[in-house]
Amino acid sequence: GEDVEQSLFLSVREGDSSVINCTYTDSSSTYLYWYKQEPGAGLQLLTYIFSNMDMKQDQRLTVLLNKKDKHLSLRIADTQTGDSAIYFCAEIRGYGGATNKLIFGTGTLLAVQP
Amino acid sequence: GAGVSQSPSNKVTEKGKDVELRCDPISGHTALYWYRQSLGQGLEFLIYFQGNSAPDKSGLPSDRFSAERTGGSVSTLTIQRTQQEDSAVYLCASSPRGAGGRVETQYFGPGTRLLVL
Repeated sequence: GEDVEQSLFLSVREGDSSVINCTYTDSSSTYLYWYKQEPGAGLQLLTYIFSNMDMKQDQRLTVLLNKKDKHLSLRIADTQTGDSAIYFCAEIRGYGGATNKLIFGTGTLLAVQP
Repeated sequence: GAGVSQSPSNKVTEKGKDVELRCDPISGHTALYWYRQSLGQGLEFLIYFQGNSAPDKSGLPSDRFSAERTGGSVSTLTIQRTQQEDSAVYLCASSPRGAGGRVETQYFGPGTRLLVL
């Protein structure tokens, strides 16, 4: 997972916006994903963005994609304590070929203070 | 249930023993993936199955690791002669299709936590 980089921690207050950043490496990645992992649980797909898009909004979530800089961000509006989790960005490798494998970032631990 | 299921949830074993981890994908999903999540390596791809095609084993860390998928559904990941560095969470994911010009979202199971003493 070292090819996809994320900051390790983010702490915000309840009600504030959270922005989690990710830098990926493969400019040919066609899809980029955000997954959420709560303590003791598996990976939950939050949202994804296709590479020909700059932005995607889904309720409280906004994904921004800067292909030139290979930078992806996830903004969570009105962050709640239930949003506390580890957030992973992931890029797809092998598109159109034999395997669509996900390459994950290191994960960002989001701590929401009440 | 409708999601990916894995068993056991937790497994504690002694160094040198063999272990088998099971994954039941979502019904109708033809693509199945195994990933490993460990402190030192983060989340890493292990192996991929797509229908009746030969699996992509490029992520398996050593020849002690092997996996099978019987009948295009259930998969078993086997680790022989376990080592302490094998301790990790082993995650299984499935998708409707894995390749062929279309990317399908991968849905993950809860994982099996393996501890090798």
